[in-house]
Amino acid sequence: AQSVTQPDIHITVSEGASLELRCNYSYGATPYLFWYVQSPGQGLQLLLKYFSGDTLVQGIKGFEAEFKRSQSSFNLRKPSVHWSDAAEYFCAVGASSGNTPLVFGKGTRLSVIA
Amino acid sequence: GAGVSQSPSNKVTEKGKDVELRCDPISGHTALYWYRQRLGQGLEFLIYFQGNSAPDKSGLPSDRFSAERTGESVSTLTIQRTQQEDSAVYLCASSLVPGGSYGYTFGSGTRLTVV
Repeated sequence: AQSVTQPDIHITVSEGASLELRCNYSYGATPYLFWYVQSPGQGLQLLLKYFSGDTLVQGIKGFEAEFKRSQSSFNLRKPSVHWSDAAEYFCAVGASSGNTPLVFGKGTRLSVIA
Repeated sequence: GAGVSQSPSNKVTEKGKDVELRCDPISGHTALYWYRQRLGQGLEFLIYFQGNSAPDKSGLPSDRFSAERTGESVSTLTIQRTQQEDSAVYLCASSLVPGGSYGYTFGSGTRLTVV
């Protein structure tokens, strides 16, 4: 079975600074990987996803993530954070081999300060 | 519809009462998922429907929880004899294909408070 670890519960960055949110997964084969964002009181919105091919994937809102098989990681990055990026971010892993539901990490809460 | 619709958006109920939560997925999405999100926690998988196949109920925490789905349309999640630990946001998601390889579309959730 697959699993996801997001080591950072809460991160605070200054507006305009760069951001990296960590995600490590466990899965025996090539996984499907996702990042979702959840603003307060809202559902989850898909930021980006990785299935195969280019290991650097681009998403919405200027986010990108890099799949590193050797490190079992799929870290989310943004070069310059905006105050509106303050939210909860969830990494998720899916099994490429079958019809199993996505497994989500516990999330990282991002705060942005002026 | 254009998105996944959940109702009610908020529900306050007394301990011991039954509650029913509704999810209306995107038209044409064959797969439907229910997750629970407790305060400060990640998403906990509850149940998964795929077409006319038997649902995957492996995530339901107790026999007080049940869910139904009519074909590829509306789903209802029922919690009987609610307990305070059932307080959470219940999120529904749908996907075009099973396994979520295209990602899920989530509803805004139902916030359940058991008092």
